[in-house]
Amino acid sequence: GENVEQHPSTLSVQEGDSAVIKCTYSDSASNYFPWYKQELGKRPQLIIDIRSNVGEKKDQRIAVTLNKTAKHFSLHITETQPEDSAVYFCAASPRGDMRFGAGTRLTVKP
Amino acid sequence: DSGVTQTPKHLITATGQRVTLRCSPRSGDLSVYWYQQSLDQGLQFLIQYYNGEERAKGNILERFSAQQFPDLHSELNLSSLELGDSALYFCASSTEGTRDSPLHFGNGTRLTVT
Repeated sequence: GENVEQHPSTLSVQEGDSAVIKCTYSDSASNYFPWYKQELGKRPQLIIDIRSNVGEKKDQRIAVTLNKTAKHFSLHITETQPEDSAVYFCAASPRGDMRFGAGTRLTVKP
Repeated sequence: DSGVTQTPKHLITATGQRVTLRCSPRSGDLSVYWYQQSLDQGLQFLIQYYNGEERAKGNILERFSAQQFPDLHSELNLSSLELGDSALYFCASSTEGTRDSPLHFGNGTRLTVT
């Protein structure tokens, strides 16, 4: 099955700085790469996704980049705010069975 | 609100017991997924159903089973429970269950085995 690796496992930044989370995947059949944010005790929520026909997608302070050749994709958060503090998961789905990375705990210090 | 409903919210039971977790997908969604999230851990894929049929299986123990009914709701059955089965169990649904379908998660069922 698909193997999704995510780094770093924890990330601490100062408010206003940028944060970058990176993921790699193994199955070249994967063509859809979502990112989920999970606040403490809550359900994961989709924040942005990208399909393999594009290399970059942006939504306000959040952007995702994809390199299909290298099989990696990244989440970029600019101008971080304390409310961005959460666990972020990347995922890939080669055949519909969505597999998640291990998660990155992002802490934004005010 | 994601539209995915999971019951119960909390469940406390003893080792060796059996429990059933229930999930109702969003209206119109045909595919249901089950994930297990242990404390401070990631989302472990258990199983996926599409329109009543099992589509993919992940790291699901033999003590666990699931099914999706004709009305598309799904149940996850956990038997011979062990302390290590304590976790948050999420159900998610998607429209088609294809490889490019976003998942929408329910609020989870927190299972505590004592």
